[in-house]
Amino acid sequence: DIQMTQSPSSLSASVGDRVTITCRASQSIGSYLNWYQQKAGKAPNLLIYVASRLQSGVPSRFSGSGSGTDFTLTISNLQPEDFATYYCQQSYSTVITFGQGTRLEIK
Amino acid sequence: QVQLQESGPGLVKPSETLSLSCSVSDGSIGSYYWSWIRQPPGKGLEWIGYMYYSGTTNYNPSLKSRVTISIDTSKNQFSLKVTSVTAADTAVYYCARGGWSGSNYGAIWFDSWGQGALVTVSS
Repeated sequence: DIQMTQSPSSLSASVGDRVTITCRASQSIGSYLNWYQQKAGKAPNLLIYVASRLQSGVPSRFSGSGSGTDFTLTISNLQPEDFATYYCQQSYSTVITFGQGTRLEIK
Repeated sequence: QVQLQESGPGLVKPSETLSLSCSVSDGSIGSYYWSWIRQPPGKGLEWIGYMYYSGTTNYNPSLKSRVTISIDTSKNQFSLKVTSVTAADTAVYYCARGGWSGSNYGAIWFDSWGQGALVTVSS
């Protein structure tokens, strides 16, 4: 299976900050990388698909980049509703895998 | 806007079979990857498997021998069965729709999710 490793596992930031979350794949996955936001007690919500495409209805302060093995999710101008856990997910392999998650907390 | 809703028992005894259904509303069972994903309490997401609307299935090898996913187009729903459950199968189970694009063959993203169903395995 392709292992997805996110860093950091958790981070603290303030409203208005710009934050970057990294996802690294154990082998090249092209651009087959998606990002999700999950709030406590809720289902995950798709933010970015195919590395950099913004899902309909997602604010433009969310952006994704990368290809191959290294990917980033950037959130500009953090808003109170952005404090949540973020997951990356690859579908390059027939066995779909997720990263372990990054918890974004209020500083 | 498609909506998904899981249903099924919240408590299953060890060694028995876990069965969940996912109703798809405001949309039909079309050409998507109809998927199940689970999340043990306090932990991350684990993909269980999917059935493409044509009937093709793909399961996580870690669960493959115990999992069956099926689609009932007449009822606009799909289902999950996990046999011989243990406490390790205790989790919130999500049904999800897997989107895809012809320009990125193989890319699958989960664009709609159910609210999740907590299933506890305990005697």
